[in-house]
Amino acid sequence: AQRVTQPEKLLSVFKGAPVELKCNYSYSGSPELFWYVQYSRQRLQLLLRHISRESIKGFTADLNKGETSFHLKKPFAQEEDSAMYYCALSDPNAGNMLTFGGGTRLMVKP
Amino acid sequence: KAGVTQTPRYLIKTRGQQVTLSCSPISGHRSVSWYQQTPGQGLQFLFEYFSETQRNKGNFPGRFSGRQFSNSRSEMNVSTLELGDSALYLCASSRLPTSPAYYEQYFGPGTRLTVT
Repeated sequence: AQRVTQPEKLLSVFKGAPVELKCNYSYSGSPELFWYVQYSRQRLQLLLRHISRESIKGFTADLNKGETSFHLKKPFAQEEDSAMYYCALSDPNAGNMLTFGGGTRLMVKP
Repeated sequence: KAGVTQTPRYLIKTRGQQVTLSCSPISGHRSVSWYQQTPGQGLQFLFEYFSETQRNKGNFPGRFSGRQFSNSRSEMNVSTLELGDSALYLCASSRLPTSPAYYEQYFGPGTRLTVT
C-alpha cells in the first residue's frame, strides 16, 4: 500500500532562513509526487508537482527515488510562506486519487 | 471562472441520521473526487466520479456513498452517522480522471460536518 510520511507536524523558522519540509513515501512503482499548500482561511491548492521540475514562489522539490523522498525547499523563508503544507502521491494508473501525508505547519517568524 | 463550490458549508447532525453533501465542479471539469479530513487521520480519499461512474474508491465503509449527475455535479451521502464521521469533507474537481500531474485538481472550501 502506498504511504506518505511527513515527520514534522510543525516547523518554525525565522524570516530569511532556509526551509526544508520533509516528505518520504512508500510505493512500489513510479509515483507522481506533489506539494499542496493551505494558507489560513484559504482552500487547499497545488503548489508544485515533480514532473514539472518547476519553482513556485521560490520553492523547489526534488524527487529522490533512492531515498524515496520529495523534500520541499526554499532558500529564504518569507512570512507569507506560513501555511500548512501537504505532500501527496498519486498512482499514475489510479486517476485522481491522492494519498496525502499528515501535513507540516510552517511558521515563519519576523 | 468560479471555483469549486460545496453546500452546505456547515452541518450538525445526530448519530444515526443520514446526510447528503453537494459539490459543484468548475465549469468544464468532469471528474469529481471527495476527501475526508480529520485531525487524527488527515486527508483521506473517499471516491472519484467521472461521467456519472465511480472510478475509484477509498477504504471507507459502505455507509459512505456518492453519485454524479449528468452536469458533473456530485453528491456524497453518509448513512447511519457515527461520531467518528465528524470531519471536513472536501470535494475536488479536475478536467479529466487522469493523474493530477497532468490535469490539476482544484479543491472546494469543504463542508464541516459535526455529528453529536
